Amino acid sequence: SQKIEQNSEALNIQEGKTATLTCNYTNYSPAYLQWYRQDPGRGPVFLLLIRENEKEKRKERLKVTFDTTLKQSLFHITASQPADSATYLCALDRSETGANNLFFGTGTRLTVIP
Amino acid sequence: DAMVIQNPRYQVTQFGKPVTLSCSQTLNHNVMYWYQQKSSQAPKLLFHYYDKDFNNEADTPDNFQSRRPNTSFCFLDIRSPGLGDAAMYLCATSRSGGYNEQFFGPGTRLTVL
Repeated sequence: SQKIEQNSEALNIQEGKTATLTCNYTNYSPAYLQWYRQDPGRGPVFLLLIRENEKEKRKERLKVTFDTTLKQSLFHITASQPADSATYLCALDRSETGANNLFFGTGTRLTVIP
Repeated sequence: DAMVIQNPRYQVTQFGKPVTLSCSQTLNHNVMYWYQQKSSQAPKLLFHYYDKDFNNEADTPDNFQSRRPNTSFCFLDIRSPGLGDAAMYLCATSRSGGYNEQFFGPGTRLTVL
């Protein structure tokens, strides 16, 4: 069965540094991968989507890479700010029915220390 | 603003007492999803509707059912809640066709006493 692992449950970094979160997956070849942000007690919010034929995607201070050989995606937040503190979820496409079914990882809780 | 709305935000029920959670959307998306998320765990897909077509996940217990009377509304029915069903229930929507993001509601926190 598909398995997603996000590098660690929690990551603490100093404000201004670059945060790097890792998502590894096995037993699957997704057509795309998505990253979401989830704040405590709230629903996830979409951040970025990267397709299997794309190596890198950027949006403001966010950057995502996708290595289908390594079966890994890296999510970077540059010039991190305390407001970036949240849980970040990686999600793989399942696309079985023409819907956009996703298989989520457990997330990495990022804390940016002022 | 277009959005996904879930009511109530907090729901308390008793063991074995049926409960219904509701979700509505103003995005006019044809796909709606229900997820269960327990503390520090990944959102787990229970089922989804592609238009009126219902798609149940293989490991979703029979205790969980859903209705979608129209494009805008979707309901999650838990027929006989157990203590293990206490969780955050998330509703999401998306366009169909792949390569589309999901839009989530704020969730309903269910407590089972």
